[in-house]
Amino acid sequence: AQTVTQSQPEMSVQEAETVTLSCTYDTSENNYYLFWYKQPPSRQMILVIRQEAYKQQNATENRFSVNFQKAAKSFSLKISDSQLGDTAMYFCAFMKIDTGRRALTFGSGTRLQVQP
Amino acid sequence: DSGVTQTPKHLITATGQRVTLRCSPRSGDLSVYWYQQSLDQGLQFLIQYYNGEERAKGNILERFSAQQFPDLHSELNLSSLELGDSALYFCASSVFLAGGRDTQYFGPGTRLTVL
Repeated sequence: AQTVTQSQPEMSVQEAETVTLSCTYDTSENNYYLFWYKQPPSRQMILVIRQEAYKQQNATENRFSVNFQKAAKSFSLKISDSQLGDTAMYFCAFMKIDTGRRALTFGSGTRLQVQP
Repeated sequence: DSGVTQTPKHLITATGQRVTLRCSPRSGDLSVYWYQQSLDQGLQFLIQYYNGEERAKGNILERFSAQQFPDLHSELNLSSLELGDSALYFCASSVFLAGGRDTQYFGPGTRLTVL
């Protein structure tokens, strides 16, 4: 079974600064996907970024980028130029590539507060 | 707006009762997933359907069941409810591309409170 660990329950950052959220995972699989989802106070789950394990290049989406270290089983999220709207819970998630099963395994989340 | 709709938004019921949560996937998505978010267990995968057929099960209790209908909407049935079933229940949908390249888009969730 896969496990996902987010060791930072809460983090705080000043507006316009950069913050990095950590995520580690444990798996014996070689092919999988990793995701960061954002859950603002509205409780909606919003995809932030995804990374295919077979790709060495780190994914980026505007102000969001990841540092994917496959050997270390580490998948951190960097948020640049933090904005007040980035205040949310952030969940790291793992998905094994299977012919039929596409279940997401989530970490416990990191609550990010962006301070004005 | 993800395009996934869930009804109702809120549900308050008593222990021992049965409820049905409904989900309509995004247009074109064939696969539906149900997740439970609770304070105790975090976000957990419950069950997955693809084009009407069950594809995967997670930590779903025997008191819970689900199905996906020919029009692709899905229902999650929760019976003999207990206080611990109080949670936010999410439905997600995806196209289901080969190789797992699809993305799951989440609905707004149904907040279930069992009193």
